Amino acid sequence: GAGVSQTPSNKVTEKGKYVELRCDPISGHTALYWYRQSLGQGPEFLIYFQGTGAADDSGLPNDRFFAVRPEGSVSTLKIQRTERGDSAVYLCASSQSGGYNEQFFGPGTRLTVL
Amino acid sequence: SQQGEEDPQALSIQEGENATMNCSYKTSINNLQWYRQNSGRGLVHLILIRSNEREKHSGRLRVTLDTSKKSSSLLITASRAADTASYFCATAPNSGNTPLVFGKGTRLSVIA
Repeated sequence: GAGVSQTPSNKVTEKGKYVELRCDPISGHTALYWYRQSLGQGPEFLIYFQGTGAADDSGLPNDRFFAVRPEGSVSTLKIQRTERGDSAVYLCASSQSGGYNEQFFGPGTRLTVL
Repeated sequence: SQQGEEDPQALSIQEGENATMNCSYKTSINNLQWYRQNSGRGLVHLILIRSNEREKHSGRLRVTLDTSKKSSSLLITASRAADTASYFCATAPNSGNTPLVFGKGTRLSVIA
């Protein structure tokens, strides 16, 4: 594909609602990453997939956050019972084989929880 | 948690001047990468320098790495207004297949 795409670009929801954020990585990239970025901060790691499996989910803040990548391509980040503190830009990135390679980022989804 | 610390947090220069940003980190690394971000959205990879390299060039960009001091610098020469963005260093820890760790970034403003 041309690049990493993320949908929606913006999502406004109410406290307590459930949201899903989607990431389409570059075709052929086996590694996929989710980050969260708050205003004035750098991206913070959430979860990393190698193929279909979560290789490292140590960055997920709590059990309200969950992500899947069932066919090793598209990934969905799911947030249950959203809280105002979840408001941030959620970034997805992919790389050819993970580990030490450069990552290609999508434009992000700006999540606002009212 | 964020490992890298960029310095300065913000930098404002005139077009044509050089911009230097520094990054310090804490643990041993396999490589260090610099990224640019416009308007708080997607990041763009600029350059990757491996732990056994000391200096690397790409166009108007020059990156140095000093593993003994656990620091790196990014130099942008002959800056342009279009270089206005936030710049982040990201370290790839030397502990296996682990994700990048980003710093808080330097906000660069280039005034025409």
